[in-house]
Amino acid sequence: DAGVIQSPRHEVTEMGQEVTLRCKPISGHNSLFWYRQTMMRGLELLIYFNNNVPIDDSGMPEDRFSAKMPNASFSTLKIQPSEPRDSAVYFCASSLGGSDTQYFGPGTRLTVL
Amino acid sequence: AQTVTQSQPEMSVQEAETVTLSCTYDTSENNYYLFWYKQPPSRQMILVIRQEAYKQQNATENRFSVNFQKAAKSFSLKISDSQLGDTAMYFCAFMKHGGNQFYFGTGTSLTVIP
Repeated sequence: DAGVIQSPRHEVTEMGQEVTLRCKPISGHNSLFWYRQTMMRGLELLIYFNNNVPIDDSGMPEDRFSAKMPNASFSTLKIQPSEPRDSAVYFCASSLGGSDTQYFGPGTRLTVL
Repeated sequence: AQTVTQSQPEMSVQEAETVTLSCTYDTSENNYYLFWYKQPPSRQMILVIRQEAYKQQNATENRFSVNFQKAAKSFSLKISDSQLGDTAMYFCAFMKHGGNQFYFGTGTSLTVIP
């Protein structure tokens, strides 16, 4: 049974470039979460979707960040333009919803030079 | 707001020994869920164990068990017979009943020494 799939696993880009991170949740899960992990701030929830609808995006740091979930099996997190302080590991997680356990993807390590 | 505190930034344990990682939390909720996640060097976040607050019985998963003290708002993780593969960062997390959002602690880095 496939877990949460994220791509790419590593991304190195230059400041000012657009970055798109992708996530495929576990089939049948109806909640999807985007997290950012840094040494300074730990794990931060950026946004989550329920049934493809964004429910809480209060964690999105700036307008440079946007997230979409066009269907139940795909979500993107876009940063435009990227800045060096966006360097972090970005995780996607999914769950059946409610208070169900969240299952995490392997993460995308983003480096912005 | 909910807060989760892990007061031990780093710990080490000899292989085959037992270690306990501490976690405390603050909430006004009566019904909630607590989790321990493991993050090895591969960075993958792996669920270790989950506890429902309404259950008095402590959750166990093989070598992993918790000591859940609701009144004290404490949720420690015990790892028995530690193995080298247990070396990882361990995160405690809280979720209120009916909620979707995790509140994570800052993590404890555990090293198992051969």
